Amino acid sequence: EAQVTQNPRYLITVTGKKLTVTCSQNMNHEYMSWYRQDPGLGLRQIYYSMNVEVTDKGDVPEGYKVSRKEKRNFPLILESPSPNQTSLYFCASSLSATAGQGGTGELFFGEGSRLTVL
Amino acid sequence: KNQVEQSPQSLIILEGKNCTLQCNYTVSPFSNLRWYKQDTGRGPVSLTIMTFSENTKSNGRYTATLDADTKQSSLHITASQLSDSASYICVVSASGGSQGNLIFGKGTKLSVKP
Repeated sequence: EAQVTQNPRYLITVTGKKLTVTCSQNMNHEYMSWYRQDPGLGLRQIYYSMNVEVTDKGDVPEGYKVSRKEKRNFPLILESPSPNQTSLYFCASSLSATAGQGGTGELFFGEGSRLTVL
Repeated sequence: KNQVEQSPQSLIILEGKNCTLQCNYTVSPFSNLRWYKQDTGRGPVSLTIMTFSENTKSNGRYTATLDADTKQSSLHITASQLSDSASYICVVSASGGSQGNLIFGKGTKLSVKP
């Protein structure tokens, strides 16, 4: 089954304790992205990756790191989490980064990871 | 500044009724516009993607329209069902369609009551 898988789905941690949220897709997609969703603010992009070893900042990259060493995985790293990073996080992937160029550009989202930083 | 505004913020309708959600954008240069459905606590799921040249696109009981001149889009839901209760998110892609430039609306929360 084609899917984007995030782990963990739920996590409660404390300020300063490094954590990684994994994201894996089995669709051979080039493009992957991370978003956070907060009440009243909607989805905001953290980082995205056009392909392996190519990553770029989104709208709210501060406090986050990513890596794209292989096509299927795009982990989100919080080196020193703070309470303002408490949020619902979504990973997404797409066959191609550009709609209309060899792909629909449709984004497939994971089920989300709810992170609480105390 | 590129922005996507959705209205209303929330909407309650009775099962079986139709409804229309609005999306206005100030994104330039425009590439495509997407509507997503997000069930509570779940990831968004794509309903439609429309490029500049497309005025209407349907997906079952969902019909999206796009007026690129006025920079407006609407999502019409016909004969609503309880399962339509969700948030609907309008997303506009800028700068040639790169998904590094997706601008998200804050969504409209739809509640369908029996």
